[in-house]
Amino acid sequence: QVQVVQSGAEVKEPGASVKVSCKASGYTFTSYGITWVRQAPGQGLEWMGWINGYNGNTNYAQKLQGRVTVTTDTSTSTAYMELRSLRSDDTAVYYCARGRTDGSSHFCDYWGQGTLVTVSS
Amino acid sequence: QSVLTQPPSVSGAPGQRVTISCTGNNSNIGAGYDVHWYQQLPGTAPKLLIYGNNNRPSGVPDRFSGSKSGTSASLAISGLQAEDEADYYCQSYDSSLSGWVFGGGTKLTVL
Repeated sequence: QVQVVQSGAEVKEPGASVKVSCKASGYTFTSYGITWVRQAPGQGLEWMGWINGYNGNTNYAQKLQGRVTVTTDTSTSTAYMELRSLRSDDTAVYYCARGRTDGSSHFCDYWGQGTLVTVSS
Repeated sequence: QSVLTQPPSVSGAPGQRVTISCTGNNSNIGAGYDVHWYQQLPGTAPKLLIYGNNNRPSGVPDRFSGSKSGTSASLAISGLQAEDEADYYCQSYDSSLSGWVFGGGTKLTVL
């Protein structure tokens, strides 16, 4: 069965970087993408970016361009999301999910459990 | 301010039918991009509920249905049950932003 398992909670100081991992199993990793979504406390879902599991092509939210990098290691079916220059408003639960893109359709079908990143001095 | 607009809250009694709207524009829903819906139960990760406007993944009850017309989409839930109490999000793709977009979310309360 498809599973997406994320790394554990992180606490970071303002200005630092965080790298969250996302290990996929139960399917051919290179046949799908990985999407990253975050959710600030009490707020809605915010799309961060997407990576093509086959060729590594990426697409990032304009708001986060220059601060976020998504990569994959196909040998371990793992995706990574690094966010730099952390601010207090980056405090959120970060989700990865298997991303499906097919012409006019772009969506996530299997989600990880979420990783809480707290930015605090 | 979310690109896709949803009502902040809806409510209904057990057994009733409720609908949640999702309004976009000609860069996203109106441009022909599909709309997808997610259910987020309290304290859990989102779960795919409807994909491709009106398709249910395996295991999702047929009480949940989706539709799309013009620049808007709707999620309908019939035969409301207490376990349906959750936050619901619509999602699509936006060509002017070159990225995925979510609605602000709708909290469903089962009275």
